[in-house]
Amino acid sequence: LAKTTQPISMDSYEGQEVNITCSHNNIATNDYITWYQQFPSQGPRFIIQGYKTKVTNEVASLFIPADRKSSTLSLPRVSLSDTAVYYCLVGDAGTGGFKTIFGAGTRLFVKA
Amino acid sequence: GAVVSQHPSWVICKSGTSVKIECRSLDFQATTMFWYRQFPKQSLMLMATSNEGSKATYEQGVEKDKFLINHASLTLSTLTVTSAHPEDSSFYICSATNSQETQYFGPGTRLLVL
Repeated sequence: LAKTTQPISMDSYEGQEVNITCSHNNIATNDYITWYQQFPSQGPRFIIQGYKTKVTNEVASLFIPADRKSSTLSLPRVSLSDTAVYYCLVGDAGTGGFKTIFGAGTRLFVKA
Repeated sequence: GAVVSQHPSWVICKSGTSVKIECRSLDFQATTMFWYRQFPKQSLMLMATSNEGSKATYEQGVEKDKFLINHASLTLSTLTVTSAHPEDSSFYICSATNSQETQYFGPGTRLLVL
């Protein structure tokens, strides 16, 4: 299983763009990269997923370089409600199902 | 998007009793469900992987006789904490997947053992 490494915490201000980078040097060919957001006492919420290059949805963008050894979650114009823990997961999409191991996550604190 | 529910959302029990937590995928059939445990200020720890109709696969260090997992259908998995003790107090979260890439998580169940 590919291990992920993220910054432990980040601070930002409302309206700024926040980029959180995750390292996954041992990513396998079948692995997808998925980011989740978790608020206290809630289950993680799916944000975005990608395999390579760039993916964008209504809440975030995900940038994945060609070697796929890292990925960057970009949150445009954050608000106070984006204060949460963000997890980068790398999942094995091989036959028989898959499992993912959570890293420590990045605690984002958005200030007014 | 895919919706996963858990019941109950919180439970308080006496030491020595058993507690059952249900995890349901509401709008899709889940080929695989996962159970996690999360202590305060820590990340999620995978406890076991459950495929419908087969025995769960437990992570190292997780007692299968203490944490009984049943995955009887494609929409329901249950976790039973048997003979619960205060150290089992935690936040239990399930997730479900209908593909091999994306997990969808339930809202979690807070267990407090007195």
